[in-house]
Amino acid sequence: GAGVSQSPSNKVTEKGKDVELRCDPISGHTALYWYRQSLGQGLEFLIYFQGNSAPDKSGLPSDRFSAERTGGSVSTLTIQRTQQEDSAVYLCASGEWTGDSQPQHFGDGTRLSIL
Amino acid sequence: QKEVEQNSGPLSVPEGAIASLNCTYSDRGSQSFFWYRQYSGKSPELIMSIYSNGDKEDGRFTAQLNKASQYVSLLIRDSQPSDSATYLCAVKDSSASKIIFGSGTRLSIRP
Repeated sequence: GAGVSQSPSNKVTEKGKDVELRCDPISGHTALYWYRQSLGQGLEFLIYFQGNSAPDKSGLPSDRFSAERTGGSVSTLTIQRTQQEDSAVYLCASGEWTGDSQPQHFGDGTRLSIL
Repeated sequence: QKEVEQNSGPLSVPEGAIASLNCTYSDRGSQSFFWYRQYSGKSPELIMSIYSNGDKEDGRFTAQLNKASQYVSLLIRDSQPSDSATYLCAVKDSSASKIIFGSGTRLSIRP
């Protein structure tokens, strides 16, 4: 079956522009995460959606970052007024709880470059 | 702030030897633990999960969990060059339905 799909795969934009990154999770997965990974660094948690619960936004680095998840499926991460430090790979993962286990399935990521 | 700590490495191990990767976590109530492997330029993939104290073996991989010491490890036997990757430890937050990742350990298997 289809895995987690992210688009675009690469995005180059000028400083100050807004960007939208899209994540299409595996069908039926109620959990959806966004992470950021800078070159050679670990995963930085950004935001977590679980079913109809209020999202956990505790990882968003500034108010320039926002995300929504429509209809419990597709999610969009928006970065307003982009800065050069926003350059990174943005990874989306989806999962489903089975008891205490929630294996996460990752998309291939969006490589964002801010000029 | 709940934390998952890993040595960033790089950890260099000769081919055929045992690679030992370690992880400590701060959330004493955590019950679920995961190891992910991430090749350079690729996304993480799940390789092991463990929920009970002791060892869990899957092929050349063994996960070890000690909840009293808040410590989880991954052993890779008969290390191969294809095992060279970054290994991420992940822990389920006991008070929130959320998985927390460590920053990863870079493993290099030298021929």
